[in-house]
This record gives sequence, structure tokens and C-alpha cells, in this order.
Amino acid sequence: QSALIQPASVSGSPGQSITISCAGTSSDVGSYNLVSWYQQHPGKAPKLIIYEGNKRPSGLSNRFSGSKSGSTASLTISGLQAEDEAHYYCCSYAGSNTRVFGGGTKLTV
Amino acid sequence: QVQLVQSGPEVKMPGASVRVSCKASGFTLTSYYVKWVRQAPGHGLEWMGWISPYSGDTYYAQKFQGRVTMTTDTSTSTASMELRSLRSDDAAVYYCATYGDDSFDIWGQGTAVTVSS
Repeated sequence: QSALIQPASVSGSPGQSITISCAGTSSDVGSYNLVSWYQQHPGKAPKLIIYEGNKRPSGLSNRFSGSKSGSTASLTISGLQAEDEAHYYCCSYAGSNTRVFGGGTKLTV
Repeated sequence: QVQLVQSGPEVKMPGASVRVSCKASGFTLTSYYVKWVRQAPGHGLEWMGWISPYSGDTYYAQKFQGRVTMTTDTSTSTASMELRSLRSDDAAVYYCATYGDDSFDIWGQGTAVTVSS
């Protein structure tokens, strides 16, 4: 399984919105509504912020939203805050009981 | 408190094996699968596979087949992952996390494994 393709880095100013893309194939992102997004701060474990493409875990800010078009999933963060600065990873079901991660995107605020 | 607590850092020589444990508390381990993910220094997340504590079924990513074994001990609510024939590129932080219900995604704190002669 090849890793999903994410931009290495994105940046934005406080209050702005940014979108991180996650390009897959018809074998993973394109075939299943099972894309998750994780936020990871340095030295910390990943934290789930979006699951099943566009659902937020209980208690998570609605500034985070997910979507999909074809074989590309996207994460949008609105109203950027300093604490949003982190690495973001997408993850998709890829059939055959396996999942595949994206290479990660560093967000600079 | 719902959490997964992993064993401490390990330093291993090339060719050795490492075993990382992951103890669940605050929830029933058999209600969820356990996935293992690793992250090499400065790199992204890598899917290793999963185990069902209820049935013992496992799935290993092709890259690790033959070198990894995932087990669970339901009496102690502990999952374990053993990686054999360690190489320098196995140096990473290894994470356990729940799997099977995408809305219930609990991660351990990670276990650093160093491979060095």
C-alpha cells in the first residue's frame, strides 16, 4: 500500500482558514467513506479530529471539518488559532483489513 | 479514566527482539480491536496491523509479516507487540491504540525503541 499524498506544509494567519488535501486512489479514499484525520503536537500521541470523512469526536471544536471529492479527502480548519500549529495526518481504510496513512502535513500558524 | 498505558523505552541491538506492552484501563479491552502504529524519528505514521482481543484474530501489514507478533492477555487487559530481527530502521516510537470503532480512538503514550550496537 502506498502512502496517501499530503502537502508537506501549509501555513496561515490567526483567524484564517486553511485546507489540507489527502490524495489517495480508487483502492482507498475513493472507495470508502472511512477517512480519519489526526492532529499531532511534538512529542505527543496523535489525536483524532475527524473520522468517517466528516464526523467530529464529541467535544471537538467545529472549526475542524472534513470532506471528500473522488479520491481526495480534505481537512479544513477555520478560525486558525496558535494551538492549531501541529502535524496533521490523514488515514484511510484500504480494504483487506488494512489502513494507510498520509505522509503528514506541518501546519504553521 | 479511559487510557492505554504503554511500557517504557527500550534499547536493543540489531538482530534482537523487542516487546512493547499496552495496558487498558477504564474500558473493556475485548470490546475493541487494538492497532499498532509506529513513527520513525522525523517521519510520519506507519500502520503495522491489529489484533482482536476477543477472538485473537490478527492482521499484519505485509511489510511486517514474519517479523511481528501481536498478542493480548485479557486477564490483565494488556496487549503486546513483539518485533523480531530488529534493524536500525526499526528505531521508532511505537503506539498502540483502539481500533474498530472509529469514534472511539484512544492512543497510548508511545514507546521509544532505539536500535543500536
